[in-house]
Amino acid sequence: QKEVEQDPGPLSVPEGAIVSLNCTYSNSAFQYFMWYRQYSRKGPELLMYTYSSGNKEDGRFTAQVDKSSKYISLFIRDSQPSDSATYLCAIPRTGGGADGLTFGKGTHLIIQP
Amino acid sequence: KAGVTQTPRYLIKTRGQQVTLSCSPISGHRSVSWYQQTPGQGLQFLFEYFSETQRNKGNFPGRFSGRQFSNSRSEMNVSTLELGDSALYLCASKGLETQYFGPGTRLLVL
Repeated sequence: QKEVEQDPGPLSVPEGAIVSLNCTYSNSAFQYFMWYRQYSRKGPELLMYTYSSGNKEDGRFTAQVDKSSKYISLFIRDSQPSDSATYLCAIPRTGGGADGLTFGKGTHLIIQP
Repeated sequence: KAGVTQTPRYLIKTRGQQVTLSCSPISGHRSVSWYQQTPGQGLQFLFEYFSETQRNKGNFPGRFSGRQFSNSRSEMNVSTLELGDSALYLCASKGLETQYFGPGTRLLVL
């Protein structure tokens, strides 16, 4: 079983929809979770990070962690065409702080105008 | 604050050659990590340097190496290039809680 699993998509939704992006992880010791956004031919850009279970909100973005299910989610409200990108979940390899990261394969999101 | 810079941005090499890529982290950041990104394998951790010492290493062959200088700038080297080394090589500069990526160097091996 891979350490971090993520559906590669593509996921295509109409503008204004709520988007749900998800990852599962295998190691219950993981404590720290991140979401990156990557536009075509660019480096990944940090969107959000969270330590704990529950929700963390930043503007139109909400990160959710369910440690009992080993499941992390990123929700995007009022989606815009500019949100079209690949979204990657990432977890520190040794479970703490900002260590070398293990990434999901990324979900390719397309927001249709 | 200036972001992470990587040079060159694009590179074409042939099998058997070697290549050196450069990364300048965000000012004040002392840790630099390198990643390889391919369509098949996604983003994979290569190694991390902190204060000129390699602190972590991913599961890559010894052809992949790196170093860090006293000003925190880092280089990675790939020797005896193979076709499968074609990838986007990303450098990340580590802050207090997370990592910030550069634009990457796109390497094509022919």
